Amino acid sequence: GAVVSQHPSWVICKSGTSVKIECRSLDFQATTMFWYRQFPKQSLMLMATSNEGSKATYEQGVEKDKFLINHASLTLSTLTVTSAHPEDSSFYICSATDGSYNEQFFGPGTRLTVL
Amino acid sequence: GQNIDQPTEMTATEGAIVQINCTYQTSGFNGLFWYQQHAGEAPTFLSYNVLDGLEEKGRFSSFLSRSKGYSYLLLKELQMKDSASYLCAPWDNDYKLSFGAGTTVTVRA
Repeated sequence: GAVVSQHPSWVICKSGTSVKIECRSLDFQATTMFWYRQFPKQSLMLMATSNEGSKATYEQGVEKDKFLINHASLTLSTLTVTSAHPEDSSFYICSATDGSYNEQFFGPGTRLTVL
Repeated sequence: GQNIDQPTEMTATEGAIVQINCTYQTSGFNGLFWYQQHAGEAPTFLSYNVLDGLEEKGRFSSFLSRSKGYSYLLLKELQMKDSASYLCAPWDNDYKLSFGAGTTVTVRA
């Protein structure tokens, strides 16, 4: 089956630093990737939709200058949390679809802790 | 925005059957997913319904009624490993998934 990986699986950083999270589709071409954030005991909230070669579409309330998304190839999308603060600590999950739109394949998630 | 409503918690004993209901309102509709999520892990795919009716997959079945904006996930022969959160997620016109808050199912021996 389709596999999506994320790296790193967890990261701890100091307040004010930037963190980059990678999302890769390992055995298929991901025309669209999605980035979600999940706080403890809450559901996944869509942050942005990323199409290969074009700018990401951000959901309302998500700061595009703070959460930089790049989808430079059909197998890789990156999310950079710039100037991270403790309130950005969360579980970040990406998903990818191959364009057939009958399933989204989720990555294992990245747990970010900002001190 | 999207409105998705599902119960917060359900408890059942091993071997029993549990039905998790979900009602939704979305901007357009391209199907509905059910995912299972264990604590600290990403969601895993359980089922996808795009037409009305029942889809059966082993111990798990999912039902959809588009006209009523209603779906349910049926878990049969419950096992301890089924203790998890179950997420109802309709797909809208832009193929974006919206997730409900999830139903935490606790299976007791």
